[in-house]
Amino acid sequence: GDSVTQMEGPVTLSEEAFLTINCTYTATGYPSLFWYVQYPGEGLQLLLKATKADDKGSNKGFEATYRKETTSFHLEKGSVQVSDSAVYFCALSWGGYSTLTFGKGTMLLVSP
Amino acid sequence: DAGVIQSPRHEVTEMGQEVTLRCKPISGHDYLFWYRQTMMRGLELLIYFNNNVPIDDSGMPEDRFSAKMPNASFSTLKIQPSEPRDSAVYFCASSWTSGGATDTQYFGPGTRLTVL
Repeated sequence: GDSVTQMEGPVTLSEEAFLTINCTYTATGYPSLFWYVQYPGEGLQLLLKATKADDKGSNKGFEATYRKETTSFHLEKGSVQVSDSAVYFCALSWGGYSTLTFGKGTMLLVSP
Repeated sequence: DAGVIQSPRHEVTEMGQEVTLRCKPISGHDYLFWYRQTMMRGLELLIYFNNNVPIDDSGMPEDRFSAKMPNASFSTLKIQPSEPRDSAVYFCASSWTSGGATDTQYFGPGTRLTVL
């Protein structure tokens, strides 16, 4: 079945550091890929998405590129802020059905 | 729009009691999802509805759990009887899917359930 694998956390960075959170997926075909973010005490919210190979999703300085050759969708940000501290979830979905398959989440902690 | 609304935000109950969680999806959305989040198991899809009809309830852990969607603007998740292992944060999400295209799921703030 479909699955999403994320790097284990927590990821601890200093403000203005470069961020990479790895995500790989297993699926037959070409699903849509998502990154969701969950701030403390809140529900998940969409950060960015890509619906086909080589698409780049971007939002709030974050970006991720859909790489079908490596079945990856790594999340990057050039300079993190304390306010980026949250849990980040990678997910995939199929057209026609809106169910999401989530990874286990990666906690990011950014210190001043 | 007010977004997905869940109530209550926090619920503390004793083992054996009935618990009902409520969700109001975003107006116009045709899919509704119930998730459970725990430290041990992460985020799990329990059940989802399309146009008020349950499509897949294979994630519902056992018969103590039931979900209904009597109309397009309201859904409930009920646990009867509740057990301490049901303690978790329960999320409701909704989305709008047009022509088979996948669309974004919008999550509510969650209900934190504690069963003593």
